[in-house]
Amino acid sequence: GAVVSQHPSWVICKSGTSVKIECRSLDFQATTMFWYRQFPKQSLMLMATSNEGSKATYEQGVEKDKFLINHASLTLSTLTVTSAHPEDSSFYICSAELTRARTDTQYFGPGTRLTVL
Amino acid sequence: GQQVMQIPQYQHVQEGEDFTTYCNSSTTLSNIQWYKQRPGGHPVFLIQLVKSGEVKKQKRLTFQFGEAKKNSSLHITATQTTDVGTYFCAGFDNYGQNFVFGPGTRLSVLP
Repeated sequence: GAVVSQHPSWVICKSGTSVKIECRSLDFQATTMFWYRQFPKQSLMLMATSNEGSKATYEQGVEKDKFLINHASLTLSTLTVTSAHPEDSSFYICSAELTRARTDTQYFGPGTRLTVL
Repeated sequence: GQQVMQIPQYQHVQEGEDFTTYCNSSTTLSNIQWYKQRPGGHPVFLIQLVKSGEVKKQKRLTFQFGEAKKNSSLHITATQTTDVGTYFCAGFDNYGQNFVFGPGTRLSVLP
């Protein structure tokens, strides 16, 4: 089956530093990847849609200069949390879309837990 | 590692029939969430269950969390064409460290 990985799985950083999270589709090419955020015991919230070779589309209320998304290849999208602050501590999950027989299916990565001190 | 399975993988029903998808985790979950993804859309949060044996209803949808907090089910009564989509279960393990999605059950409803 389709596998999506994320790296790192968890990260702790100091306030003011930037953190990069990678999302990779391991055995398929994904034109579109999605980034979600999840606060403790809450539901997923879509942050942005990442399209290979073009600018990401951000959801309302998500600062694009704060959360930089790069989708440089069909198997890799990165999310960089710039100048991270404690309120950015969260669980970040990516998914990659596989189009097969006119059906789009999202496959989710295992998530990255970010803790900003 | 923790694994979450869902059955069936696909389900085709006639409009008006009932539908149930089952979610089974290899480890105890601290909570379980259900999402619905319409074709071409994104997973939309439906509900969260936290307590052992909890049952919640949303109109025609009934959600249940098993006593052992390792399985859950979503039952739709009298399906409608608007119910079409993929239903995902997901949950945190008991340590709150790993959040794992099930592979989803794709529901088709024939008019």
